[in-house]
Amino acid sequence: QVQLQQWGAGRLKPSETLSLTCAVYGGSFTGYYWSWIRQPPGKGLEWIGEISHTGSTNYNPSLKSRVTISLDTSKNQFSLKLTSVTAADTAVYYCTRRLRYWGQGTLVTVSS
Amino acid sequence: QSVLTQPPSASGTPGQRVTISCSGSSSNIGSNYVYWYQQLPGTAPKLLISSNNQRPSGVPDRFSGSKSGTSASLAISGLRSEDEADYYCATWDDNLRGAVFGGGTQLTVL
Repeated sequence: QVQLQQWGAGRLKPSETLSLTCAVYGGSFTGYYWSWIRQPPGKGLEWIGEISHTGSTNYNPSLKSRVTISLDTSKNQFSLKLTSVTAADTAVYYCTRRLRYWGQGTLVTVSS
Repeated sequence: QSVLTQPPSASGTPGQRVTISCSGSSSNIGSNYVYWYQQLPGTAPKLLISSNNQRPSGVPDRFSGSKSGTSASLAISGLRSEDEADYYCATWDDNLRGAVFGGGTQLTVL
């Protein structure tokens, strides 16, 4: 059974960098795409981007200039960095294996 | 503005059958698998349906999915009070080269 466990800072100030990490347990890391999705409070879901097990990335055009997704295959982990955050980036962030397996979510609040 | 279109709300009484629609285009639903999620307040989305109509282990057979052309539907039969939640559809979009979602449907069990 594939499980994703994520962690990272939950409170940031405007202009800081959001940093989250997701560890994959119980399944192969290779052969799959690993994604980040977010959900602002009271709103719907937004795909942020993904990375393949080989390191190939694809990002949502609306966030591309600020997003970096990376992976550490030795630890079966992948990470999200989002620079220059604003209040509009306040959301619950989820790590996923494409659309099938989801982490528990991390609420990130951006406030001065 | 979500790429996939869902009704914002739906309702039914216990025991009824309700359906939730999800409309897209040829670049997303028309050429990729559809997924459905149930989200209870304060929790992560729970996968109900994958690959258009496949139920993961543990999902009751009261939940079923279908797809036709550029639209998909989630049906819930034998509605129960615990089905009251938000439901989202999702798929891949070949133009965006990323996942796209519906805006969500809030289901109320009257």
